[in-house]
Order: sequence, then structure tokens, then C-alpha cells
Amino acid sequence: SQELEQSPQSLIVQEGKNLTINCTSSKTLYGLYWYKQKYGEGLIFLMMLQKGGEEKSHEKITAKLDEKKQQSSLHITASQPSHAGIYLCGADVGSNYQLIWGAGTKLIIKP
Amino acid sequence: SQTIHQWPATLVQPVGSPLSLECTVEGTSNPNLYWYRQAAGRGLQLLFYSVGIGQISSEVPQNLSASRPQDRQFILSSKKLLLSDSGFYLCACSWGEGTEAFFGQGTRLTVV
Repeated sequence: SQELEQSPQSLIVQEGKNLTINCTSSKTLYGLYWYKQKYGEGLIFLMMLQKGGEEKSHEKITAKLDEKKQQSSLHITASQPSHAGIYLCGADVGSNYQLIWGAGTKLIIKP
Repeated sequence: SQTIHQWPATLVQPVGSPLSLECTVEGTSNPNLYWYRQAAGRGLQLLFYSVGIGQISSEVPQNLSASRPQDRQFILSSKKLLLSDSGFYLCACSWGEGTEAFFGQGTRLTVV
């Protein structure tokens, strides 16, 4: 199994609905990074979480890092077509300069 | 602001041919530089990283190599491409530990 489990693998959501993507680590997280990727393009940084219980928001996207620092969730409120893409979580688990990565969640927004 | 350039965007190469992908970074000096390969449904695989000129760490033994001839230039190379080298390659940079990484637009390499 992967060190960083991301779920679900894919998600189809009606426009306007809320959704949550999860990222669970088998190791303590020293930093958790959320990125969004359009197919065939680079990754766009969304948010970084470092402290247990931390929560950050950007527009309609909220990310949380749980108290035990081994899981993060990304929540999108009132989804829009512009939210469609692949969401990736990357984690700093204490290996210098290296992040481990989830497999990604493909999000499709139905109009 | 920091900007990272990666090229080409797409590349089709025959088996056995050489490869050179280039990545350059604008902005603050002394970035950490990374080459990743992305496989569908498997996230990002770190191939190489560099914390300074001439310093390259390899994470996965393979047919590829990396070089950093200048502070903000990172090159991914191969002498002879294999079919299994096909994939989506991403260059990234960061400054210090515990900071976010910035990614290039990626190169889709198809080896035929």
C-alpha cells in the first residue's frame, strides 16, 4: 500500500454540490500540501498545512490537517466547473527535501 | 515572484535516441530543484533532486540522469531512451525545507 493514501480516486459531482477529498498518511505529517492539476499541465499550489488542527481556506476550498497530523481533507463548497481537475496531496514526512505523494483524485463537475 | 520554465511541452522520440529536457527558474537564487515523473493513478515519483550546482541525488535507478550546470538550470537526460521512459515529466523548485514547491508545465514524452 502507498504511504500516502488519497481518496476517492475519482469523483463526479453535480455543479453546486459540496465535496471532500481525503489524504491519509501512515507517518506523522510535518507538512501537507494540496495541489491542483489540469490534465497535461503542471501543478498549481493550493495550500500548505503544518500544524495539527490547522485549517486554511481559499475562495471555496478549505483544507484541514487533523490534530494527530496524519490526515488532511480538502473540502470544496458549492462546486463549479472551474474546480474540475486532478487534486494531489503531497506530504513532508521528515525525509529531507522529499515529499511523498498521493495518487491523485480526478474531479469531474457535471453541469 | 518565482517562475519556472520547462520545455518542450511534448516530445516524441524513437527508442534508442537521446533525451534532453530543460528546466530553468527565475527569481531567488539557490533553489532546490526536482525532476518528477507522473504516472496515471500513481501520483508523482521523485527521480532526482538537487540542492546546489553540481549536486544531484538520484532516487530511482533508471535509464535517466540529471545535471545542474547552473544555479537555476536543471536538465534531465538519457543516452538511449527506452519505451518505458514514456510519461509525463515535471520539474519543480522550492526554497528551503517546509516550503511549497512550484512546478513547471510538464513535458509529455512518448517513446516510439
